[in-house]
Amino acid sequence: DTGVSQDPRHKITKRGQNVTFRCDPISEHNRLYWYRQTLGQGPEFLTYFQNEAQLEKSRLLSDRFSAERPKGSFSTLEIQRTEQGDSAMYLCASSKTRYGANEQFFGPGTRLTVL
Amino acid sequence: KQEVTQIPAALSVPEGENLVLNCSFTDSAIYNLQWFRQDPGKGLTSLLLIQSSQREQTSGRLNASLDKSSGRSTLYIAASQPGDSATYLCAVRSWGTSGSRLTFGEGTQLTVNP
Repeated sequence: DTGVSQDPRHKITKRGQNVTFRCDPISEHNRLYWYRQTLGQGPEFLTYFQNEAQLEKSRLLSDRFSAERPKGSFSTLEIQRTEQGDSAMYLCASSKTRYGANEQFFGPGTRLTVL
Repeated sequence: KQEVTQIPAALSVPEGENLVLNCSFTDSAIYNLQWFRQDPGKGLTSLLLIQSSQREQTSGRLNASLDKSSGRSTLYIAASQPGDSATYLCAVRSWGTSGSRLTFGEGTQLTVNP
């Protein structure tokens, strides 16, 4: 399978715990994006990387959230001191920069439940 | 700030019917527009991408149109099948400092009844 992969697919945690999610983009895709989706809503942008550089962060990304892409390949999203409001689907997408397209391809998501 | 609206929020049709899903956006300065499909509890599958310079794109039974000046796009599904049942999301990529993010609508939940 050469698509975007995410791990884990599901995570249940208690309030106050830290969690970390991983995303592996499509090979050779230089851009990687994180989105959050709550039930019944469309995804909302969190942040994106071009290679290893984090170029944009949404206001949704509070100081409890941190994302990395250390070698320009896979990325991790960490949430510290989780709150019940963090419960959502966390989606990762990747794209290859080229003139006129930059079509984003999404992974299966990580479903987070904070008890 | 770009805002995307999708109408209707839900749609139920009998198998074989042709249907149209609507998407509108407030800022016409877009780079492109993507239509996605999402099955319950799953990720998003890209269906069609229309560049701002294009008027429509076709893939199989799907046809998407774009009228950038009026801020509208439609997704036409011909001869609908039960397997088309899913949520359809429209997303735009806008020009400017936030030019790489996609702004999504809330989706249209489609049910095709056999």
